[in-house]
Amino acid sequence: AQSVTQPDIHITVSEGASLELRCNYSYGATPYLFWYVQSPGQGLQLLLKYFSGDTLVQGIKGFEAEFKRSQSSFNLRKPSVHWSDAAEYFCAVVPLSGGYNKLIFGAGTRLAVHP
Amino acid sequence: EAGVAQSPRYKIIEKRQSVAFWCNPISGHATLYWYQQILGQGPKLLIQFQNNGVVDDSQLPKDRFSAERLKGVDSTLKIQPAKLEDSAVYLCASSSAQETQYFGPGTRLLVL
Repeated sequence: AQSVTQPDIHITVSEGASLELRCNYSYGATPYLFWYVQSPGQGLQLLLKYFSGDTLVQGIKGFEAEFKRSQSSFNLRKPSVHWSDAAEYFCAVVPLSGGYNKLIFGAGTRLAVHP
Repeated sequence: EAGVAQSPRYKIIEKRQSVAFWCNPISGHATLYWYQQILGQGPKLLIQFQNNGVVDDSQLPKDRFSAERLKGVDSTLKIQPAKLEDSAVYLCASSSAQETQYFGPGTRLLVL
């Protein structure tokens, strides 16, 4: 079945530590790939996106993500986490078939940051 | 550039009552989306408009939910009558053609 999977529901890291959030997708053709962040009580903010080309994508707030076709993955990384990064992170895809620019979201990973 | 505006931000109603949410997209964005985000889950698309026409409402519970986008700008999402399971955050987003979607702050609905 077509899906977006974020295996980690909750992750806790110390401030200054590195971070990697996992995302796997299951679609026949590589979809468009996105990472969004949602702070408490806020809407979703786009961190970065991948359509094609260079598989390492730079985003805002010091985040980057790497697309790996062989693993159907699009993991989000940050070398040094700040307390303000505590939020919920959503991986999302737009399947290339079916049209209409429809975003399909994973269930999210909640990030807690210890001082 | 102003972002996507939504109102109200919070709403508490009793089951079987009706409620309406309003969204004003980013100026010039032809495509408007309504998503439902239940606690602990990712957002799920309810309906997508291209200008004032519906292009996808396959996951909209049409027996109780309705949406319109008159004049291809603002949009209203209505629930009538509300059920307990409708408690969620309702997010509006807009985009220019097949580009990145930008989200509003959402309306948090609690049905008692």
